[in-house]
Amino acid sequence: QKEVEQNSGPLSVPEGAIASLNCTYSDRGSQSFFWYRQYSGKSPELIMSIYSNGDKEDGRFTAQLNKASQYVSLLIRDSQPSDSATYLCAVNSDGYNKLIFGAGTRLAVHP
Amino acid sequence: DAGVIQSPRHEVTEMGQEVTLRCKPISGHNSLFWYRQTMMRGLELLIYFNNNVPIDDSGMPEDRFSAKMPNASFSTLKIQPSEPRDSAVYFCASTRAGQETQYFGPGTRLLVL
Repeated sequence: QKEVEQNSGPLSVPEGAIASLNCTYSDRGSQSFFWYRQYSGKSPELIMSIYSNGDKEDGRFTAQLNKASQYVSLLIRDSQPSDSATYLCAVNSDGYNKLIFGAGTRLAVHP
Repeated sequence: DAGVIQSPRHEVTEMGQEVTLRCKPISGHNSLFWYRQTMMRGLELLIYFNNNVPIDDSGMPEDRFSAKMPNASFSTLKIQPSEPRDSAVYFCASTRAGQETQYFGPGTRLLVL
C-alpha cells in the first residue's frame, strides 16, 4: 500500500514568519510530487510541483525534494493570514497521473 | 475557460436511495478522476478514466458504487443504494494529456440520512 504521510497540525505561525510543511512517502519509485492548497469548504488547488532533487522556488513558496530520504517539504516565506488553509501533499507514481494524497496539514497564520 | 463543473453541489438523500453525481471536465482534458473526501479518511481516489476508459477502479469502496464516462465531456458516479457512511464531499478532477496538474471541480457535498 503506497502511503503519503503528513503531520495533521494545526501548524500555527505568526504573520511574516516562515511556515514549514513536511511530507514523507513510501513508494521509492515515485517521480512527481505536488503541493495542493485547500481552503475550508473549497476544492484543492495546485500551488507547486517538483520532480527533481533540490529546491524549486515560486514567489513566496519553495518546494524541497529529497528522493533518497523520500521526503518533500513546502516552505512559505512571509506567511500571511490568507495562507491559512490545509496543505495537501500528493505523489504520482503510476505514470497515469494517479495521485496519492496525504491527509493534509492545517496551517494557521495569526496576525 | 470554464473549469470542471459538478452537479449537484449539495445532495441530501435518505438511506437506500440512488444518488447520481455528475461531472463535466475541462474541454480538451483527457483524464478524469473521482475523489471522495472525509475528515476520517482524507482525499481518496475512487476511479480514474483516460480517454473515457476506466484505468483503475481499485478505490471504489464496493459494488454499490459505479462510474461511467460515455464521452469526453461527461462522467457520472452512482451510488445505489446509498448508506449514511457514504456522506462525504465528492470531487471530480481532470487533466490534459502530457500534463500532471489536476484541476478540481467545486465538489458535491453528499449527506445520506
